[in-house]
Amino acid sequence: AQSVAQPEDQVNVAEGNPLTVKCTYSVSGNPYLFWYVQYPNRGLQFLLKYITGDNLVKGSYGFEAEFNKSQTSFHLKKPSALVSDSALYFCAVRPLQGGKLIFGQGTELSVKP
Amino acid sequence: GAVVSQHPSRVICKSGTSVKIECRSLDFQATTMFWYRQFPKQSLMLMATSNEGSKATYEQGVEKDKFLINHASLTLSTLTVTSAHPEDSSFYICSARKGGGLNTEAFFGQGTRLTVV
Repeated sequence: AQSVAQPEDQVNVAEGNPLTVKCTYSVSGNPYLFWYVQYPNRGLQFLLKYITGDNLVKGSYGFEAEFNKSQTSFHLKKPSALVSDSALYFCAVRPLQGGKLIFGQGTELSVKP
Repeated sequence: GAVVSQHPSRVICKSGTSVKIECRSLDFQATTMFWYRQFPKQSLMLMATSNEGSKATYEQGVEKDKFLINHASLTLSTLTVTSAHPEDSSFYICSARKGGGLNTEAFFGQGTRLTVV
């Protein structure tokens, strides 16, 4: 079965430190990969995507993600975390064969001053 | 990015009544929209795919007679929760893609918090 895993329910980071939110996937072929962020009682906001090309993708608000084909991972990173980055982050993949997005279970990021 | 607007953002209704949630693509046409349900601190569960001018495609386990979907125009899809019960209380989110390519990102509405009392 196709799936997306975010192994950490919660990530705690001090402001100014680098952050990583992990994502691995199990999907046949080379899927399209996405990261979204959700603030409380809000819909999801698009951060970045990997389609093809350079494995390091840069997105909104200083976030970036690195695609690793051999490890089937697409970890989200930011060099210096802000308190305002605290939110729920979702990794999602879309297989080439079908149009449905498959979401990970989400990781709650907490950035403390 | 594209804008998807969802209305209402919050609704409280009595058990047994029906509630309609609207999802609009404000600056693009969407032949396909998606409806999700999200429980607290959990991931999004795809309920159905809404297709303009045709019947929606429901995911396994989702009651199509309870969750009525209508996609009457290229910019509007509606989800009607019929005969709502407290267990239907949840956060409902719609999304749409701008363009038909699989590599395009989905844009999400702001969600609707439904509380059935």
